[in-house]
Amino acid sequence: AQSVAQPEDQVNVAEGNPLTVKCTYSVSGNPYLFWYVQYPNRGLQFLLKYITGDNLVKGSYGFEAEFNKSQTSFHLKKPSALVSDSALYFCVCFGGYNKLIFGAGTRLAVHP
Amino acid sequence: GAVVSQHPSWVICKSGTSVKIECRSLDFQATTMFWYRQFPKQSLMLMATSNEGSKATYEQGVEKDKFLINHASLTLSTLTVTSAHPEDSSFYICSARDAGGPGTGELFFGEGSRLTVL
Repeated sequence: AQSVAQPEDQVNVAEGNPLTVKCTYSVSGNPYLFWYVQYPNRGLQFLLKYITGDNLVKGSYGFEAEFNKSQTSFHLKKPSALVSDSALYFCVCFGGYNKLIFGAGTRLAVHP
Repeated sequence: GAVVSQHPSWVICKSGTSVKIECRSLDFQATTMFWYRQFPKQSLMLMATSNEGSKATYEQGVEKDKFLINHASLTLSTLTVTSAHPEDSSFYICSARDAGGPGTGELFFGEGSRLTVL
């Protein structure tokens, strides 16, 4: 079965430090991978996507993610965290037939 | 990026009443829209896929008579929660795919609608 795993419920990081939010996937065929961010009581905002091409994908707000086929991972990273980055982050994979497969979400807390 | 507007943002209703939530793609046409439900501190659960001009495709376990979906135009899909009960209280989110073919265009999400049934 196709799935997306976000192993950490919450990630805590100090402002200014680098952050990583982990994601691994299990899909058949070539994966189309996305990261979305959700602020409280809001919809999801698109951060970045990997379809094909360079394994390092740069997205909005200084975020980037690295596609690693051998490790089936698509970790989200940012060199220097901001308090305003605190939110819920979803790793998402396109599962074919217009279906998206969502990870459980990881809550990022950036402390001043 | 493309904008998806969802209305209302908040709705409180009495048990037994019906509530309609609208999802509009403001600057693009969406032949397919998706409706999700999100419980507190949980991920999004796909409820149904809304197809313009045809019947919606419901996920397993989702009552089609409870959650009526209409996609009458390329820019509007509606979700009607019929005879709402407190257990229907949740955060409902719609999304639409921008043009670009399956998987190549990201989904754009509405801001969500929080339904509270008293």
